[in-house]
Amino acid sequence: EVQLVESGGGLVKPGGSLRLSCAASGFTFSSYSMHWVRQAPGKGLEWVSSISSSSGYIDHADSVKGRFTISRDNAKNLLYLQMNSLRAEDTAVYYCARELPVATSMDVWGKGTTVTVSS
Amino acid sequence: EIVLTQSPDFQSVTPKEKVTITCRASQSIGSSLHWYQQKPDQSPKLLINYASQSFSGVPSRFSGSGSGTDFTLTINSLEAEDAATYYCHQSSSLPHTFGGGTKVEIK
Repeated sequence: EVQLVESGGGLVKPGGSLRLSCAASGFTFSSYSMHWVRQAPGKGLEWVSSISSSSGYIDHADSVKGRFTISRDNAKNLLYLQMNSLRAEDTAVYYCARELPVATSMDVWGKGTTVTVSS
Repeated sequence: EIVLTQSPDFQSVTPKEKVTITCRASQSIGSSLHWYQQKPDQSPKLLINYASQSFSGVPSRFSGSGSGTDFTLTINSLEAEDAATYYCHQSSSLPHTFGGGTKVEIK
């Protein structure tokens, strides 16, 4: 079964750091570009970061640029999001998602991990 | 950044009725427009690729159309299980962007 499972969320103080992980299974992880998408409480979806299959291309939303870093370990089938200098407005459920080749839509999503930034 | 504007924000519909949701892009995106369904406390699910291509396993009552800047998601003969929020998403250019969502409630 194709599956993505996020972990690493939690409560953190403003200015703190967290590293999210996304474990992939049931497909050849190294062949797919991946994304992080977040959803603040009661709000819509916001794209956060993307990484190509070999990590040759990486991009981040302006709202997190310089603070968040996406990376991956294809040998371990893991996707990461290192989040530094966290702010209250980063509070959200963070989803990892697989990019469907050619179409570039997101065809597989994890259940999400919740990040709460509060003092 | 390409802005996607969805309408309406909310729709209350009786079962078997037809639902039409629109998504307008701030500039032309060809057909790089995708639709997702998100039920409460669940992650989004892909419904439609490339404006009109139904994703595997999606019921045939869901269909998409459009190109350029104007797109439509249609749900024919709404069922109770279709109560959800629907989002459009463009991947034509970075950053990826999503519409604000349309919540569909069953009367």
